[in-house]
Amino acid sequence: QQPVQSPQAVILREGEDAVINCSSSKALYSVHWYRQKHGEAPVFLMILLKGGEQKGHDKISASFNEKKQQSSLYLTASQLSYSGTYFCGTEAMNRDDKIIFGKGTRLHILP
Amino acid sequence: DAGVIQSPRHEVTEMGQEVTLRCKPISGHNSLFWYRQTMMRGLELLIYFNNNVPIDDSGMPEDRFSAKMPNASFSTLKIQPSEPRDSAVYFCASSLLAVGANVLTFGAGSRLTVL
Repeated sequence: QQPVQSPQAVILREGEDAVINCSSSKALYSVHWYRQKHGEAPVFLMILLKGGEQKGHDKISASFNEKKQQSSLYLTASQLSYSGTYFCGTEAMNRDDKIIFGKGTRLHILP
Repeated sequence: DAGVIQSPRHEVTEMGQEVTLRCKPISGHNSLFWYRQTMMRGLELLIYFNNNVPIDDSGMPEDRFSAKMPNASFSTLKIQPSEPRDSAVYFCASSLLAVGANVLTFGAGSRLTVL
């Protein structure tokens, strides 16, 4: 079942912060975050494997609440290069190797 | 490594025609995934292979769609006959399935337009 992302779209000014949420109705083994620029392929950002795990990538970090089956992506002091669509992908606890993606969150950074 | 290579990048065809999309995964990767992306549905998983064997094709929309992976370095997704609602970007992704991680590397995609 497809995870639910929120918000659907965000417009920020450069330097502002953003949070993107991802929620699943199924027990999760892992959560993945990808970013897709317009006209390009999705690119891997990070994977979270354990409940409560937090990871960072430059000023982009994420958390995973295994009990609530939720993950959040944090973009701090956003840069113009952060613009794009962010997808969360989830792998179920049964480790079926399928990664199911949410519909994405479009992020637009204004100068 | 050249990454995941897909062809063609763009395909315009007429309804009823056969369409074949091709994918070459990253050398050494043991899993391959086909996704379809539309504005309405986002990224949908169509089918995935592990060690060239189809594992789950529950996402294939109907019998008009078929996929093969005859060897570790090549896969095809075929639509016959094609319909306008099949218009989308089709992505192939590969990964090295290992304990604790399944990181996908996507190809550039094949944009299909069915008139």
